[in-house]
Amino acid sequence: ETGVTQTPRHLVMGMTNKKSLKCEQHLGHNAMYWYKQSAKKPLELMFVYSLEERVENNSVPSRFSPECPNSSHLFLHLHTLQPEDSALYLCASSQRHGGGRMREQYFGPGTRLTVT
Amino acid sequence: SQELEQSPQSLIVQEGKNLTINCTSSKTLYGLYWYKQKYGEGLIFLMMLQKGGEEKSHEKITAKLDEKKQQSSLHITASQPSHAGIYLCGADYNNNDMRFGAGTRLTVKP
Repeated sequence: ETGVTQTPRHLVMGMTNKKSLKCEQHLGHNAMYWYKQSAKKPLELMFVYSLEERVENNSVPSRFSPECPNSSHLFLHLHTLQPEDSALYLCASSQRHGGGRMREQYFGPGTRLTVT
Repeated sequence: SQELEQSPQSLIVQEGKNLTINCTSSKTLYGLYWYKQKYGEGLIFLMMLQKGGEEKSHEKITAKLDEKKQQSSLHITASQPSHAGIYLCGADYNNNDMRFGAGTRLTVKP
């Protein structure tokens, strides 16, 4: 148990579907992250939220839409995905200090997404 | 090429043997993080190194950051099947996000 939960753990969706991934952290952290992990590729940072504001968006296609309603919850809304979007999506949280310096991140168990 | 290179990509050792995994950065690190991942699951934080020459240990796992802060090694003593998994290093380059290496897959044979 890392203090970060993700639902669902597995998701199969068609290319025309709309679905959402949910992440919740119970650690009192002020920053949350979405990562994509594909087979044989390093972890790719997708989005960063610090104090509920998006501070980074690493050229992610618009078919991925993040939402951070408060410091404990993070969503990733998915629509019209492509088969190459199939991957493990990981959420993480951390405590950012003054000046934006980060500390270690704690990860959820991930959502295994398959796009058919 | 990647900013963080890990070696080896995979490693198979006999239970009880020692092993080392390396992580090399193309530029100076502000912080270096080691994580372990079971296949298809989330990452478990192991330890963080920030100062050149720093060394930390947790149970049978020891990690070091070299003086120039561009390379780290993770050493496991007397490996056990429970050590099996993917070990990833993550780097803080002082730009508010973490870059990860591709990982080292460790198999420990009983």
